[in-house]
Amino acid sequence: QKEVEQDPGPLSVPEGAIVSLNCTYSNSAFQYFMWYRQYSRKGPELLMYTYSSGNKEDGRFTAQVDKSSKYISLFIRDSQPSDSATYLCAMSQGGSEKLVFGKGTKLTVNP
Amino acid sequence: DAGITQSPRHKVTETGTPVTLRCHQTENHRYMYWYRQDPGHGLRLIHYSYGVKDTDKGEVSDGYSVSRSKTEDFLLTLESATSSQTSVYFCAISESNSGITDTQYFGPGTRLTVL
Repeated sequence: QKEVEQDPGPLSVPEGAIVSLNCTYSNSAFQYFMWYRQYSRKGPELLMYTYSSGNKEDGRFTAQVDKSSKYISLFIRDSQPSDSATYLCAMSQGGSEKLVFGKGTKLTVNP
Repeated sequence: DAGITQSPRHKVTETGTPVTLRCHQTENHRYMYWYRQDPGHGLRLIHYSYGVKDTDKGEVSDGYSVSRSKTEDFLLTLESATSSQTSVYFCAISESNSGITDTQYFGPGTRLTVL
């Protein structure tokens, strides 16, 4: 079992839809959870950061962490064509451990 | 791109030739990383640095070496490029490796093709 699993998609939704992106993981020591957005031919950019369990909201974006289920989610409300990108989850134990990335989910929001 | 530049941005080279990629940061961050990104594999860590002259291997370090002689510069060298090293290479930086500063900020990438 891979440490971090992420459905690669592709996921295609109409403009205005609510999008749910998810990752599962196997290492219960992960404490720090991130979502990165990567536009085509660009570097990943940090979108959301969460420590331990719970929710975090930033505008149209909500990140959820359920450590008991080893499951993290990113919700995008009122999706826009500009949200079309690949979304990468990443997580870390902290300390000297490195980030572990999911392979990314490609999202297309159609006008 | 959080004060990170990579050079060159694109390079085509031939098998067996040496190649050096440069990452330059203006943030004075301690940690610097080199990743490669390939379809089906996602981002994979090649090498990282936790200070000047302090480097360590990542999960796919074979065939690569790194050097960091200044805080702001991290060089990735392919001593003898092979076609399997055709990839997009990203540099990343972070303030630390614990707590909120675990977050990494990425450069724009270098697209390398080895013929």
